[in-house]
Amino acid sequence: AAGVIQSPRHLIKEKRETATLKCYPIPRHDTVYWYQQGPGQDPQFLISFYEKMQSDKGSIPDRFSAQQFSDYHSELNMSSLELGDSALYFCASSPRRTTGAGAGYTFGSGTRLTVV
Amino acid sequence: AQSVTQLDSQVPVFEEAPVELRCNYSSSVSVYLFWYVQYPNQGLQLLLKYLSGSTLVESINGFEAEFNKSQTSFHLRKPSVHISDTAEYFCAVHPQGGSEKLVFGKGTKLTVNP
Repeated sequence: AAGVIQSPRHLIKEKRETATLKCYPIPRHDTVYWYQQGPGQDPQFLISFYEKMQSDKGSIPDRFSAQQFSDYHSELNMSSLELGDSALYFCASSPRRTTGAGAGYTFGSGTRLTVV
Repeated sequence: AQSVTQLDSQVPVFEEAPVELRCNYSSSVSVYLFWYVQYPNQGLQLLLKYLSGSTLVESINGFEAEFNKSQTSFHLRKPSVHISDTAEYFCAVHPQGGSEKLVFGKGTKLTVNP
């Protein structure tokens, strides 16, 4: 079965550079979520999109922005990168409209961002 | 708002021993409960979930968790662990209705020793 695809798997950037992370949800999943997991930390919710509109916002820095496109894939754009942005960034998708809340989502394998 | 407390940050056990990973939550509304497992350098995999119905839920690899509403707990258990169960385990919740953003506990690192 198709899973949530994230690219790239690994990314190394220098401070003050920009980065774009991509997420391709499971087909027919209409909702995408982004989480950030720092080293040794629990995942923290950043932002979510439902039917291409932002549906919820968490602890996402102003330097970050995200969007969901017509094909439901999502991109997380990160600017003015700081050392503290080094983390594992997860995307997850769910079939919220068809299945309803509580179905549980499927996570991608994550993008490991290292800022040097 | 919701919060999740995983009481043990690390749990070392010997192979074939039973294990319990504790999870308590706080919420002013009803929640759905989840356990995720994260193997080293990998993503999050759903282990099991409680949505409604029977308070005891089981996974395909021998784990089970019991929802206890009065104690606001969702402890994870396995009667006999394997070396391959070594991983980080996260308990998570999100409210029924409204936002589906997951609130995670800090995680419990289970280490199974031979």
